[in-house]
Amino acid sequence: GQQLNQSPQSMFIQEGEDVSMNCTSSSIFNTWLWYKQDPGEGPVLLIALYKAGELTSNGRLTAQFGITRKDSFLNISASIPSDVGIYFCAGQRRGGTSYGKLTFGQGTILTVHP
Amino acid sequence: GAVVSQHPSRVICKSGTSVKIECRSLDFQATTMFWYRQFPKKSLMLMATSNEGSKATYEQGVEKDKFLINHASLTLSTLTVTSAHPEDSSFYICSAVVGAYNEQFFGPGTRLTVL
Repeated sequence: GQQLNQSPQSMFIQEGEDVSMNCTSSSIFNTWLWYKQDPGEGPVLLIALYKAGELTSNGRLTAQFGITRKDSFLNISASIPSDVGIYFCAGQRRGGTSYGKLTFGQGTILTVHP
Repeated sequence: GAVVSQHPSRVICKSGTSVKIECRSLDFQATTMFWYRQFPKKSLMLMATSNEGSKATYEQGVEKDKFLINHASLTLSTLTVTSAHPEDSSFYICSAVVGAYNEQFFGPGTRLTVL
């Protein structure tokens, strides 16, 4: 099935650095979401974006819903060791047969060195 | 709120046996739940949409007779892997839909190993 193009695939950074990752799609979505997954666990919702152009923060995390509705980015400021994990973007459409379904990006594996 | 549990968290079984995985919404009712499969360091792959009181909708390429889904109540969906084989070994995750914006909250996953 369709996947979102998420980049980068992996990042190795020093504690305290800022992180940026993004997702693009060839088609539009009504909602963009960002999840974090720790090893052996299910994804946890970080930020949900519902309107084109929306910029939302959650602590050190900031995410934006692209104006074209085909992209989104996630920034993490002042990274700490517990930020380690896999970050997934996901797009969701309303209406039609795909109602409620999520389309996931490939994930960004984040490693933070103390 | 919006807590989803899965049971068991890990299961090891012999080839040819069937395994049932439960997904429960603990503090809300979910008309719709989803089942995903995930390979190591890969993204989540949607297997099927589980609808309370009706048949599940399977994604293309997913065998419905192999992966039986039952959503008998508004808080419970089950996935049964029938006649499991080693290639069915994977991490299975469910999610439940809640709220006006159809947010999905995920369970902690079930690690299935078929010997």
